[in-house]
Amino acid sequence: AQKVTQAQTEISVVEKEDVTLDCVYETRDTTYYLFWYKQPPSGELVFLIRRNSFDEQNEISGRYSWNFQKSTSSFNFTITASQVVDSAVYFCALNWYSGGSNYKLTFGKGTLLTVNP
Amino acid sequence: GAVVSQHPSRVICKSGTSVKIECRSLDFQATTMFWYRQFPKQSLMLMATSNEGSKATYEQGVEKDKFLINHASLTLSTLTVTSAHPEDSSFYICSAEIAGTQETQYFGPGTRLLVL
Repeated sequence: AQKVTQAQTEISVVEKEDVTLDCVYETRDTTYYLFWYKQPPSGELVFLIRRNSFDEQNEISGRYSWNFQKSTSSFNFTITASQVVDSAVYFCALNWYSGGSNYKLTFGKGTLLTVNP
Repeated sequence: GAVVSQHPSRVICKSGTSVKIECRSLDFQATTMFWYRQFPKQSLMLMATSNEGSKATYEQGVEKDKFLINHASLTLSTLTVTSAHPEDSSFYICSAEIAGTQETQYFGPGTRLLVL
């Protein structure tokens, strides 16, 4: 079965600190896609990154970086020099083939990040 | 590109009434759309997968007679909550896949439903 685990329910940091959000996934598929989304209080999901299972290269985008390791089934997300505007719930998700012509997206439970000034 | 809209953004209704939520892909065609429900402080849970021109596929535990889904065109899917009750109050989010692709879902802004 497909599963995404975000063990950190809540994290609180002070502005300018670095913070890493953990994500561990389970799947038997060889082809799958991993995502990170940000959900601010408004509720709208903001797409951050997509990674396919064949691309283990780490990625950096500004203050954001992602570490994908298939050996440990992890896809961790680091925010460098955090800012108050980074405060939100962050979801890790796994897109997997569910049969027919469909893929399904399974979300982790989310991590609430609070960045204090 | 790949913008998905939802209407209404917020709705309050009385118990026993039905509410329709629209999900539109604005700049692409979507053969597949998805409906999710999110309760406060919880994750998104898939309710159903909607394929254009065919019946929706519901996840286990989701009542198909209560949550009617129609995907009549390549840009519009609707979710109707029939005979809504307070326990149906939630945040409903739709997403859509660009026709011919399956790797990425594009999400709408969500609809907050409050049933009194």
